[in-house]
Amino acid sequence: GEDVEQSLFLSVREGDSSVINCTYTDSSSTYLYWYKQEPGAGLQLLTYIFSNMDMKQDQRLTVLLNKKDKHLSLRIADTQTGDSAIYFCAEIEGGYNKLIFGAGTRLAVHP
Amino acid sequence: EAQVTQNPRYLITVTGKKLTVTCSQNMNHEYMSWYRQDPGLGLRQIYYSMNVEVTDKGDVPEGYKVSRKEKRNFPLILESPSPNQTSLYFCASSLTSGRWTDTQYFGPGTRLTVL
Repeated sequence: GEDVEQSLFLSVREGDSSVINCTYTDSSSTYLYWYKQEPGAGLQLLTYIFSNMDMKQDQRLTVLLNKKDKHLSLRIADTQTGDSAIYFCAEIEGGYNKLIFGAGTRLAVHP
Repeated sequence: EAQVTQNPRYLITVTGKKLTVTCSQNMNHEYMSWYRQDPGLGLRQIYYSMNVEVTDKGDVPEGYKVSRKEKRNFPLILESPSPNQTSLYFCASSLTSGRWTDTQYFGPGTRLTVL
């Protein structure tokens, strides 16, 4: 079945850029998503990218999609302590609104 | 305020004691879904519902039941909980099930421990 993989941990210094990577297997995925989960909270949709796009920028967030390699990345510029959270990559399966999630990348931001 | 609410937020119970986790949304969404989150596994879908009285199994439905008698509510029922159902549970909803651009809104989560 479909699978989404991401590394489990990333540690960055405050002010640096963070890059969180994700690979997926379903080549028919139309939309790919990034969700953020802060401690003790639910998931918040950060951004999404349509599969016919290569890049999407939204303030400090840049999403890059390499459809050939099925690789998705999320870049956070000028990372702040408030960006510390778990980031989930997700793809849509089939024609329904079913999300297939990666295991999540825990981002730790240190001074 | 548009939101998805879940109750309880935390629950410790014992094996075999039936429990229900409630989920309610105030956005008139058609689609609702339950996920469980386990370390290293991300979120996995348990059950989903495309509208009132329409429910279907997700990837990990064993040991769970759901019902959708009203549009706003989608309770998750554990008839006989077991320790392997210890997890963090999320309810989610979206306007429809068929449009991929419909944002899924997540509840705050219910942390369940089964002893």
